[in-house]
Amino acid sequence: GNSVTQMEGPVTLSEEAFLTINCTYTATGYPSLFWYVQYPGEGLQLLLKATKADDKGSNKGFEATYRKETTSFHLEKGSVQVSDSAVYFCALTLNQAGTALIFGKGTTLSVSS
Amino acid sequence: GAVVSQHPSWVICKSGTSVKIECRSLDFQATTMFWYRQFPKQSLMLMATSNEGSKATYEQGVEKDKFLINHASLTLSTLTVTSAHPEDSSFYICSAGQGGEKLFFGSGTQLSVL
Repeated sequence: GNSVTQMEGPVTLSEEAFLTINCTYTATGYPSLFWYVQYPGEGLQLLLKATKADDKGSNKGFEATYRKETTSFHLEKGSVQVSDSAVYFCALTLNQAGTALIFGKGTTLSVSS
Repeated sequence: GAVVSQHPSWVICKSGTSVKIECRSLDFQATTMFWYRQFPKQSLMLMATSNEGSKATYEQGVEKDKFLINHASLTLSTLTVTSAHPEDSSFYICSAGQGGEKLFFGSGTQLSVL
């Protein structure tokens, strides 16, 4: 079946530290991959996406590269800020009409100043 | 960009009552909408797929008689939590789109059952 596995949190970092949140997936077919972010008290927001192998999604200093050979989509940021504290979800969807997103369990990031 | 509106954003109800949550696609037609449930500090779990003009498809373990889904038009799907109990308290989120990367989320509904 289709699934997403994320590293377990919480991840606690100091401001300006380097961030990596690992995400691997299992899918039948060729999925699109996403990272969503949920800030405290808010709904889900799309952070970045990649639709095919070797694509790199980027937004707000975050990056993730679609690696088909390792079935991974790790999220990285070179220098985190306190405002990046949130829960991050890796997700996939098969590129077919009527298919839902499948989410990982989420990773809580806490950044201190 | 495409917008999905979800209402209400939060609701408190008494045990045994029913609560209806609406999900609207504001600038596109959605033949398919998805309802998710999120428990505190956990991931979003797909509850059901709502199909316009036909019955919803429920995920395993989701009680279809408790969580009634109606998708009567191409822009509106509703989730009704019937005879709500405290264990139904959760964050419910809808999603609509045309599949693949074109999926958009509502802002969610926090349900608290007393």
